[in-house]
Amino acid sequence: GAVVSQHPSRVICKSGTSVKIECRSLDFQATTMFWYRQFPKQSLMLMATSNEGSKATYEQGVEKDKFLINHASLTLSTLTVTSAHPEDSSFYICSATAPVGSYEQYFGPGTRLTVT
Amino acid sequence: AQRVTQPEKLLSVFKGAPVELKCNYSYSGSPELFWYVQYSRQRLQLLLRHISRESIKGFTADLNKGETSFHLKKPFAQEEDSAMYYCALKNFNKFYFGSGTKLNVKP
Repeated sequence: GAVVSQHPSRVICKSGTSVKIECRSLDFQATTMFWYRQFPKQSLMLMATSNEGSKATYEQGVEKDKFLINHASLTLSTLTVTSAHPEDSSFYICSATAPVGSYEQYFGPGTRLTVT
Repeated sequence: AQRVTQPEKLLSVFKGAPVELKCNYSYSGSPELFWYVQYSRQRLQLLLRHISRESIKGFTADLNKGETSFHLKKPFAQEEDSAMYYCALKNFNKFYFGSGTKLNVKP
């Protein structure tokens, strides 16, 4: 099956710094990638939809200047948390879909971000 | 706006017992609904979708538009079914998830 990887799997950064998380589709070209945030024992909250070659679409309440998303190729999307604060600590998960109209999402393993 | 509700955070059953994980949704259009499962230390994966009307690992889910529900059922739970289960609604190209139900199947 299709595989999505994320790097790093966990990262600790200091408050005020920026951190980049990569999401890669390993064996397929992902026309669309999604970024989610998951709080402990809670659901996945969709943050943004990332389409290759165009600007990401952010969900209401998600600061686009804080969570920068780049989808430069069909196999790579990056999420940069800028000027991180402790409240940004969370589990970030990406997913990818393949052909347009495809119903299946393939999830990455997630990245645990801790901001100290 | 769309909303997916899973009222139970935790559901514990004994092996061999029937199990039903509840999911209700609100959506103005014609919904496309899914169940995803996350086993311990693994990533989320698709379990089933309502359009296919198939049974996966003994699980089935029927879309009830009148009750706006998409409950997941299995007649005889197995220990290996223990996992987190998420109901999700697809709106255009986006997926919206419920808060999840942890299923614990006891021996």
